Amino acid sequence: TQLLEQSPQFLSIQEGENLTVYCNSSSVFSSLQWYRQEPGEGPVLLVTVVTGGEVKKLKRLTFQFGDARKDSSLHITAAQPGDTGLYLCAVYNQGGKLIFGQGTELSVKP
Amino acid sequence: GAGVSQSPRYKVAKRGQDVALRCDPISGHVSLFWYQQALGQGPEFLTYFQNEAQLDKSGLPSDRFFAERPEGSVSTLKIQRTQQEDSAVYLCASSAFNEQFFGPGTRLTVL
Repeated sequence: TQLLEQSPQFLSIQEGENLTVYCNSSSVFSSLQWYRQEPGEGPVLLVTVVTGGEVKKLKRLTFQFGDARKDSSLHITAAQPGDTGLYLCAVYNQGGKLIFGQGTELSVKP
Repeated sequence: GAGVSQSPRYKVAKRGQDVALRCDPISGHVSLFWYQQALGQGPEFLTYFQNEAQLDKSGLPSDRFFAERPEGSVSTLKIQRTQQEDSAVYLCASSAFNEQFFGPGTRLTVL
């Protein structure tokens, strides 16, 4: 059983569309991170959310942490081909190691 | 460069061969992590070093996997008698405080 369940697993959309991906758990977390990983590269940190209900914006990306700090969402407005990649949510476990969800593979077609 | 580097970037091994994967962390980073990422999945923790001390190796899948960081800088992940299920991308990350910075990974294919 995955600690973090991401959905959808795959998403293929046209340029200019909006989309939301989800990261859900039954556990409560003190913080949650979102990463983007491009083919042939390692994950790159996009944002860390800490407070329940928190909303953070990064250009066209909006991240929200659930009120109960068990889930999070990532919304992309007017997606562009450069947004293509694997989006991963992750939390820290004891000892500083990261536990990742299985990821959402996003493809944005021009 | 200033980032985490890994070598080789790609490795093809015949089943039963031993392989060694290298990670050069960001200079001065005390913590170093290894992760394994299967195709279409998120990375999974393998092992963790603080300086030269291996503090957590709970994620290593079998005793064929061995990691070292003898001088607290460069780290090597060694896999003995490789099996097809070892095929994956092996990611290294280093950190000074809270944020982990990932290298590009080594893609291992075992035939």
